[in-house]
Amino acid sequence: SAVISQKPSRDICQRGTSLTIQCQVDSQVTMMFWYRQQPGQSLTLIATANQGSEATYESGFVIDKFPISRPNLTFSTLTVSNMSPEDSSIYLCSVGGNGPYEQYFGPGTRLTVT
Amino acid sequence: AQTVTQSQPEMSVQEAETVTLSCTYDTSESDYYLFWYKQPPSRQMILVIRQEAYKQQNATENRFSVNFQKAAKSFSLKISDSQLGDAAMYFCAYRSARWGVGSQGNLIFGKGTKLSVKP
Repeated sequence: SAVISQKPSRDICQRGTSLTIQCQVDSQVTMMFWYRQQPGQSLTLIATANQGSEATYESGFVIDKFPISRPNLTFSTLTVSNMSPEDSSIYLCSVGGNGPYEQYFGPGTRLTVT
Repeated sequence: AQTVTQSQPEMSVQEAETVTLSCTYDTSESDYYLFWYKQPPSRQMILVIRQEAYKQQNATENRFSVNFQKAAKSFSLKISDSQLGDAAMYFCAYRSARWGVGSQGNLIFGKGTKLSVKP
């Protein structure tokens, strides 16, 4: 299994600013995923981040708004840029292992934009 | 594109009783994986149970079992002897087996069912 930590665990930010969320894994993993969970909603995939390549964004999410870095096999960051109240969500980092059953989640970052 | 539907936004069960959460999905693939995740107020996603589509036998993990009906594309979760600690959001999820071929390997989630357990 993989143990994932995220920083910060929560933050309150002002409209128009940016926040970078860090995801650290205790082992090397190939695939990392960033999900958004809006209040009372399900998880929606923002992008897939593989080391050494550009992140792949899902429909409705763009790199200018959610830039992602993946400098190595244990770390990734997601930036939420030019925030608005609609960005208030929980952001979860997830990693995939070599097997199809292996998908682990970080504890999430609760973001509130005022 | 694959979709996952959970038609029960909220469910309630008496402690020690049994409850079944429903999930249906839509896919044109024949090989895939299905999961139930639990998300308590702590926000941590916890894997409850998984099922491989190629297996006919229903998965079981202690008090948790599934009823997997591949033809009907149904994947319900049964919780037996419900405990107060079972109270949480439950998400049904789908994952393609087509690794790297039209799939990133990410999970596709249903909207969730909020389960409350009455003492």
